[in-house]
Amino acid sequence: DVKVTQSSRYLVKRTGEKVFLECVQDMDHENMFWYRQDPGLGLRLIYFSYDVKMKEKGDIPEGYSVSREKKERFSLILESASTNQTSMYLCASSPGLAGALTSTDTQYFGPGTRLTVL
Amino acid sequence: AQSVTQPDIHITVSEGASLELRCNYSYGATPYLFWYVQSPGQGLQLLLKYFSGDTLVQGIKGFEAEFKRSQSSFNLRKPSVHWSDAAEYFCAVGSASGYSTLTFGKGTMLLVSP
Repeated sequence: DVKVTQSSRYLVKRTGEKVFLECVQDMDHENMFWYRQDPGLGLRLIYFSYDVKMKEKGDIPEGYSVSREKKERFSLILESASTNQTSMYLCASSPGLAGALTSTDTQYFGPGTRLTVL
Repeated sequence: AQSVTQPDIHITVSEGASLELRCNYSYGATPYLFWYVQSPGQGLQLLLKYFSGDTLVQGIKGFEAEFKRSQSSFNLRKPSVHWSDAAEYFCAVGSASGYSTLTFGKGTMLLVSP
């Protein structure tokens, strides 16, 4: 089974802190994604990566950055956390070549990290 | 730009009754369509997906969905709901061109009454 793990289930940080959220997948997937999930807003894509060291902005990249130094690991970075970044953060991975969606594509999700910024 | 609408924020169904969750999409070409389920405190799990071919798609846990191009819909159905089906359900649309990103709807929370 595909496994996507996230470094923390719950995280509490203070305004202005630099925050790292880590995601690891064990299926040699090309694509990895970071979403935030807020009540009534569904999932919104922050950033994604289709290859090592490659990244693309999603729908809401402001205030975030990402890093993908190894294929299995995708990090989300909040350079200076703010209270409006309090949310559930979900990581996902999927197979695929050069980022294009194919019929075999399925995004596999981690359990999420609930981040609270005080 | 592609978009997904799930018109129902909450739905309550009696255990044993049938279920239909609505999903409408907006996309210029043939879409790739997905339904995911999220149980409390969990990540999302894929229920089923449509890429091409038969417009009635079978998924896990007894769910099915029907793609209707004329109505731009991909509604999820289950003939008899179990209490364990209580969860939040997300419809998503993807593109066959460009990157393999998905656009998700805002979700429908399913409550199951005894």
